[in-house]
Amino acid sequence: RKEVEQDPGPFNVPEGATVAFNCTYSNSASQSFFWYRQDCRKEPKLLMSVYSSGNEDGRFTAQLNRASQYISLLIRDSKLSDSATYLCVAPGGPNSGYALNFGKGTSLLVTP
Amino acid sequence: DGGITQSPKYLFRKEGQNVTLSCEQNLNHDAMYWYRQDPGQGLRLIYYSQIVNDFQKGDIAEGYSVSREKKESFPLTVTSAQKNPTAFYLCASLKGPEAFFGQGTRLTVV
Repeated sequence: RKEVEQDPGPFNVPEGATVAFNCTYSNSASQSFFWYRQDCRKEPKLLMSVYSSGNEDGRFTAQLNRASQYISLLIRDSKLSDSATYLCVAPGGPNSGYALNFGKGTSLLVTP
Repeated sequence: DGGITQSPKYLFRKEGQNVTLSCEQNLNHDAMYWYRQDPGQGLRLIYYSQIVNDFQKGDIAEGYSVSREKKESFPLTVTSAQKNPTAFYLCASLKGPEAFFGQGTRLTVV
């Protein structure tokens, strides 16, 4: 089983829509999780961290369900500029130098 | 400003050649990583280094080599043994749980 799994999409939504991405992780000992945003042909950039049950930042809400080992990202009032790939990330352990484990990404396209 | 600098941005390699990708950081981070990304794929760990003069293989180290002679520098060599090197290569450092990335090097075999 992969460390982090997420629905690859693509998700095509109109401007103003609400969209949710889901992610599952395999290491029950993981304490913190992240959502990174990656634009086409660019490096990933940190969008949000999730340390407890959830985190909200403007239009973005990340939630964590430890019992189900499940993380979600909700984007409200989608903007054209939200079009990107969203990567779900869990921390690795000492056997990998604590390297972050990345999901394959969920592609979002917001249309006018 | 502090950050990670990767060079070159684009690199073309002929069959059988070794090429070296540069990664420099001025963040004073101990841990550095090399990832490879193929289209539609997530990032896969090639090598990592937690301290100067020490590095470890990641999940896909075959055909690659690294060095860590200075804290600031973690170059990656793609050797001729790597049969499918065309990919986007990302260097990162870690501070606590957060990763900081360079802008990446896009390597193409011609």
